[in-house]
Amino acid sequence: AQSVTQLGSHVSVSEGALVLLRCNYSSSVPPYLFWYVQYPNQGLQLLLKYTSAATLVKGINGFEAEFKKSETSFHLTKPSAHMSDAAEYFCAVSDIGGYNKLIFGAGTRLAVHP
Amino acid sequence: KAGVTQTPRYLIKTRGQQVTLSCSPISGHRSVSWYQQTPGQGLQFLFEYFSETQRNKGNFPGRFSGRQFSNSRSEMNVSTLELGDSALYLCASATTGLAYNSPLHFGNGTRLTVT
Repeated sequence: AQSVTQLGSHVSVSEGALVLLRCNYSSSVPPYLFWYVQYPNQGLQLLLKYTSAATLVKGINGFEAEFKKSETSFHLTKPSAHMSDAAEYFCAVSDIGGYNKLIFGAGTRLAVHP
Repeated sequence: KAGVTQTPRYLIKTRGQQVTLSCSPISGHRSVSWYQQTPGQGLQFLFEYFSETQRNKGNFPGRFSGRQFSNSRSEMNVSTLELGDSALYLCASATTGLAYNSPLHFGNGTRLTVT
């Protein structure tokens, strides 16, 4: 069965520092992977997705993620954190044959301090 | 283009009651899926509808049901509410059937509190 593990339920960085949110997946077939962001009292917004076209995926708001098959990882990064990046981030994998069923990780809450 | 609209935003119900949540997808989107979000279990898939047909169902009891109308609007119903049903219920719409080429667009959710 497919699964997603996000390492670190809370990450805190200084404004301007590198953001690194970790995601490891388990899948028996090439996966489709996603990062979503959730701001307080809102739904989820798609940041970026990996669909096998390129291993380095660029998303919105300056985020990017690199698919590493050998490490079964899809970590999310941003070179310079901004206060507005404070939110909860979810990594997800598309379920095989599950149409629009996504399997989500537990989430990582990112705090950005001045 | 209007986003996914969920109504109501907040609901308070008593144990044993039933509740109906509504979701209006983005215009042109034919797929609607539902997720439950709780602090303990995280985001869990409930079910997905496409052109009024349920194509996939998560591991939830039969008290949780849904339907989709011809205009793609969807409702989900929870009967005989339990305290553990308290959660944020998220609806997501997409143009087609597969998440990899038709990303999900989420609504802001309905916060259900069961007392």
